Amino acid sequence: DTEVTQTPKHLVMGMTNKKSLKCEQHMGHRAMYWYKQKAKKPPELMFVYSYEKLSINESVPSRFSPECPNSSLLNLHLHALQPEDSALYLCASSPGTGRDERQYFGPGTRLTVT
Amino acid sequence: QKEVEQNSGPLSVPEGAIASLNCTYSDRGSQSFFWYRQYSGKSPELIMSIYSNGDKEDGRFTAQLNKASQYVSLLIRDSQPSDSATYLCAGAHRSGAGSYQLTFGKGTKLSVIP
Repeated sequence: DTEVTQTPKHLVMGMTNKKSLKCEQHMGHRAMYWYKQKAKKPPELMFVYSYEKLSINESVPSRFSPECPNSSLLNLHLHALQPEDSALYLCASSPGTGRDERQYFGPGTRLTVT
Repeated sequence: QKEVEQNSGPLSVPEGAIASLNCTYSDRGSQSFFWYRQYSGKSPELIMSIYSNGDKEDGRFTAQLNKASQYVSLLIRDSQPSDSATYLCAGAHRSGAGSYQLTFGKGTKLSVIP
């Protein structure tokens, strides 16, 4: 089973709202990732968690705040977003063993900021 | 700078033909390469991974890696209309304890004509 789940599937929020995106995997993976993907572009890495610790923050604005409550869950807290933040937000996970780098993506959350 | 280059296409092939997708990479530190298939509006799906020079076959898919030439390719035999999608090439390099950062190419859009 290589399933990563994400909720919600779609989210519309105003620029003053606070919302959270959720990601879950039950593959025992120890590395989890957030990506942002705009139309007709490849995914752009935002954050990497390795063994529940934030290991990479790709200069993402502070209005995006990641959280890794445990090894199966990853959240992305959103606050005061801009319309240009509208995109597909993808979560991925990989084993984290250092021997297998395959990343598996969830179905994504389609975010629209109005 | 780590870069992965792909011809954006579109690449059109008739049903039953072989589709050949190519990418080149600049970072000799990248050891592993992946091909993802992405249907419009969906998330990337891992279809092939390759770690060493040579060919790797899985069903109708063959991935080829040539580290000396810094070249990765994907062959799809007996192409079907259902193979019509954008194919993303990605190289992996270590980003922390057990985690790897993927550098994606811009993707090649494949259309298989019935």
